[in-house]
Amino acid sequence: GAGVSQSPSNKVTEKGKDVELRCDPISGHTALYWYRQSLGQGLEFLIYFQGNSAPDKSGLPSDRFSAERTGGSVSTLTIQRTQQEDSAVYLCASSLDPGNYGYTFGSGTRLTVV
Amino acid sequence: EDQVTQSPEALRLQEGESSSLNCSYTVSGLRGLFWYRQDPGKGPEFLFTLYSAGEEKEKERLKATLTKKESFLHITAPKPEDSATYLCAVRSEGYQKVTFGIGTKLQVIP
Repeated sequence: GAGVSQSPSNKVTEKGKDVELRCDPISGHTALYWYRQSLGQGLEFLIYFQGNSAPDKSGLPSDRFSAERTGGSVSTLTIQRTQQEDSAVYLCASSLDPGNYGYTFGSGTRLTVV
Repeated sequence: EDQVTQSPEALRLQEGESSSLNCSYTVSGLRGLFWYRQDPGKGPEFLFTLYSAGEEKEKERLKATLTKKESFLHITAPKPEDSATYLCAVRSEGYQKVTFGIGTKLQVIP
């Protein structure tokens, strides 16, 4: 597709349930990032994938969070045993060369944990 | 740790009233300073990358400048469609991630 696609656009889940968020990056973009954005907070880095290299997981807030990227394309962010503080907008971005062209972001998944 | 501080948090302008947004940063070796625009309910949209002090970039009514400690986003004769949140971000040496500021919410009134 022409842009970064994220699904679902909205997700309401009960506390303690697991959720999966999906990201389809722009074809050919080797770099893929997950950020989350909470009200009044800046974008918080979660994880970075680059080609076949080991991902940079340094931003994942706890071991309840995990992510994978299959075939260098689609990525899934999984949150286990969701907590209310996990409520936020989860943004995926991809880039051909983040140093020169910046990121192309998707519209995000708004996660609400009730 | 990289830090980005944006001011003001919110700015309200009359259409045609030029102004500037500020981004102060602290990094260990700047590898890029980025400006993004974010509309409600959407992801940020890339505007500019600046690499070194003295560099300037322009796009329509927007002009971004960079010094060793801060960047400015100048908005000349803004229109209501320029209303959005403007985000500043930095990338430092040895890191692939980008650190974002909280943003400046700009409202341009007709």
